[in-house]
Amino acid sequence: QVQLVQSGAEVKKPGASVKVSCTATGYTFTTYDITWVRQAPGQGLEWMGWISDYNGNTEYAQSLQGRVTMTTDTPTSTAHMELRSLRSDDTAVYYCARVIVVVSPRGKFDAFDIWGQGTMVSVSS
Amino acid sequence: DIQMTQSPSSLSASVGDRVTITCRASQPISSNLNWYQQRPGKAPKLLIYAASSLQSGVPSRFSGSGSGTDFTLTFSSLQPEDFASYYCQQSYSTPYTFGQGTKLEIK
Repeated sequence: QVQLVQSGAEVKKPGASVKVSCTATGYTFTTYDITWVRQAPGQGLEWMGWISDYNGNTEYAQSLQGRVTMTTDTPTSTAHMELRSLRSDDTAVYYCARVIVVVSPRGKFDAFDIWGQGTMVSVSS
Repeated sequence: DIQMTQSPSSLSASVGDRVTITCRASQPISSNLNWYQQRPGKAPKLLIYAASSLQSGVPSRFSGSGSGTDFTLTFSSLQPEDFASYYCQQSYSTPYTFGQGTKLEIK
């Protein structure tokens, strides 16, 4: 069964760091990029960035530059997202998702087809 | 960054209704537009990719259309399990931005 399983909820104080993991099963991990999306309570979805396990390339949202690092561990088929210098407005559910690329006569299209169950990160003093 | 604007933000409808949600991009994005469904407390689920392609396993009552800046998600006949939130997302260029969401509620 193709799925992404994320690590459990975290409670952190402002200024601390958090590392969320995302383990893939049921498919070849290196074939697909992983993206991270977060959702603050009652709010919409915010794209955080993506990582290619194939070549290690990463791209991060400008709003998180300098505070976020995405990595992968191929032997365990696990992706990690570390967010540093946490603030109260980082309180959110963090999701990892698999990136599919569809190539058709109309062009090349990305989408997020498999999502992890989400990890709640709470930041509070 | 490309801004995505959905309308309406919320919508009340009845089982069996035909419903359309719209999404507008702040600049042309060709057909690089995806739609996701999110039920409360759950992860988003991909419904439509490349503006009009139905993801495997998604019922055919869902359909998507549009290109350039204007897109729609249509439900041909609402079912009880369709009452959820829906998000459009552009995959034309990073950062991959989402619309603010449309909450579909039972009338």
